[in-house]
Amino acid sequence: GAVVSQHPSRVICKSGTSVKIECRSLDFQATTMFWYRQFPKQSLMLMATSNEGSKATYEQGVEKDKFLINHASLTLSTLTVTSAHPEDSSFYICSARDQYVAKNIQYFGAGTRLSAL
Amino acid sequence: GQNIDQPTEMTATEGAIVQINCTYQTSGFNGLFWYQQHAGEAPTFLSYNVLDGLEEKGRFSSFLSRSKGYSYLLLKELQMKDSASYLCAVRVFSGGYNKLIFGAGTRLAVHP
Repeated sequence: GAVVSQHPSRVICKSGTSVKIECRSLDFQATTMFWYRQFPKQSLMLMATSNEGSKATYEQGVEKDKFLINHASLTLSTLTVTSAHPEDSSFYICSARDQYVAKNIQYFGAGTRLSAL
Repeated sequence: GQNIDQPTEMTATEGAIVQINCTYQTSGFNGLFWYQQHAGEAPTFLSYNVLDGLEEKGRFSSFLSRSKGYSYLLLKELQMKDSASYLCAVRVFSGGYNKLIFGAGTRLAVHP
């Protein structure tokens, strides 16, 4: 299957600092990438849909000024958690669809575990 | 609203067969996916159903009945490494996009 790379895998930050998470599709082009958040023992909750060259679409209840998304190329989307606080500590996972092959399958990155102290 | 239900936990014995059920009530149904997720890792794709019937892939099979809003994942010849969470996800068209809505996941424990 297609490969999605996510970096960093783990980050610990001081409360009030911003954290940037990168999501790359390594062997395919993705016009659309997705950002999820997962709390312990809970399922994945879609935060936003990232579109190459345009503004992201945020799910209800997700603050766009808090979670900045940039999708500058067909292989890279970034999520910046601005002024992270302990309640933002979670597992953040990105996924992408190969627009030309196997369009129906979303491939996931390995996730980023954020701990804001 | 969108609702996807699956059992929270299941246990099974190595070498046995286990069936994990998923029921859904969603709008704009566009396919159903099963993913496997080990603790602290990203989900990996297992199967995809968009038409009614059974899809078989090695030790894993998935079934879909759209009229009943029902799917199951069947795991045969269970191995210890199959201990993981299994996520049922429905693809819906909403807000101009296809997106995946996930169930809470079923934690499967395989015992010797």
